[in-house]
Amino acid sequence: EVQLVESGGVVVQPGGSLRLSCAASGFTFDDYAMHWVRQAPGKGLEWLSLISWDGDDTSYADSVKGRFTISRDNIKNSMYLQMKSLSSEDTALYYCAKDTFAAAGISSYFDHWGQGTLVTVSS
Amino acid sequence: NFILTQPHSVSESPGKTVTISCTRDTGSIASNHVQWYQQRPTSAPTNVIFEDNERPSGVPDRFSGSIDSSSNSASLTISGLRTEDEATYYCQSYDSNNHWVFGGGTKLTVL
Repeated sequence: EVQLVESGGVVVQPGGSLRLSCAASGFTFDDYAMHWVRQAPGKGLEWLSLISWDGDDTSYADSVKGRFTISRDNIKNSMYLQMKSLSSEDTALYYCAKDTFAAAGISSYFDHWGQGTLVTVSS
Repeated sequence: NFILTQPHSVSESPGKTVTISCTRDTGSIASNHVQWYQQRPTSAPTNVIFEDNERPSGVPDRFSGSIDSSSNSASLTISGLRTEDEATYYCQSYDSNNHWVFGGGTKLTVL
């Protein structure tokens, strides 16, 4: 059974930094690209970032480009999202999601999701 | 990036059929596959339709998807509505510059 478990969400002050983690199990982690998707309170889904199976290819939404960095450790079966210069607009539930392909640049989708970790940016 | 537009909400009675639309503003709806996700309150999204009209295992055949090039839109149709279908549904597609796009979501009320 595929399991994705996010962690690292906390209350952080505006301008602060935070690193989220996603622990994967139940599938061959380095066979698939992975994503981060967020959902602000009462709002819709927003795709944030992709990382290819080997970490060589990444992509970011304009809203987080230059502030967020996605990475993965295939030995630890984990993915990360390093976030900096946080503002109240980054307050959201952050999901990790598994892609259906290994590489980037492919019309793919999200076939498994974690339960999310909540990031609150507030003073 | 293109935009996917969905109605904010729809409602229908149990046993009836409902269709939720997803319209792409620029570029062809057929240029990349469309997926649909169901999100029940306080739960993570789950995929109910992939590659325009395919159902993942475990999703009942009451759920179906289609695309219409004439209206540049995709549709999710749920027949034989049940109260358990009450949820928010999101369409999603891929942008060729390595971005993924979601529609704004449609809240389905089964009353």
